[in-house]
Amino acid sequence: QVTLRESGPALVKPTQTLTLTCRFSGFSLTSIEMSVSWIRQPPGKALEWLALVDWAGNKYYNTSMKTRLTISKDTSENQVVLILTNVDPVDTATYYCARTLSFGPVKRFDSWGQGTVVTVSS
Amino acid sequence: SDFLTQSPSMSVAPGQTAIITCGGTNIDRYSVHWYQQRPGQAPVLVVHDDRDRPSGIPERFSGSNSGNTATLTISRVEAGDEADYYCQLWDSSEDSGVFGGGTKLTVL
Repeated sequence: QVTLRESGPALVKPTQTLTLTCRFSGFSLTSIEMSVSWIRQPPGKALEWLALVDWAGNKYYNTSMKTRLTISKDTSENQVVLILTNVDPVDTATYYCARTLSFGPVKRFDSWGQGTVVTVSS
Repeated sequence: SDFLTQSPSMSVAPGQTAIITCGGTNIDRYSVHWYQQRPGQAPVLVVHDDRDRPSGIPERFSGSNSGNTATLTISRVEAGDEADYYCQLWDSSEDSGVFGGGTKLTVL
């Protein structure tokens, strides 16, 4: 059974750095075609893909946020970390991590965590 | 998303068919996936690679993709189908995931 769980601070001040952790089980990030993505959803708004790290260590980022995002993986601990720098109130959202099945140019998010709510406010 | 266009909302009576569309230039060149998000819950994959269903998803959910429009069809709609539905693809030219703006399905 695949499970993912996000964790991180519920409240962050503007200009600070947000660090989120995704701990997963039921699959290995060393297996070909396995990846983990971060996706967020502002209150009442649509889903927005943020970043992906794959089994080979390749990393991909949302173009508009590339300068503020860093994704990394710890294969031995079965976890993926997302860092978002210089946060702003517009970064207030529910942040999800999702297992991503990667088949060349085709990638889909087949299992999701429950999400963690992050509010950016002074 | 400006890349993928979805109608913001639609409503359908129980037992009828809901047709949810996702528009994009030459979208049929991509594999499109669909997610259901019930209120307060995480999204769930309901159709992948245009028309395939993950294990456990009812046959009432089906998909297609042609030209500039991908479509999610829900037959014999039930009250439990009330949710937001999102289309998604991977833009390999940008190496980026893309979601549509979502369609809120209301069951009357």
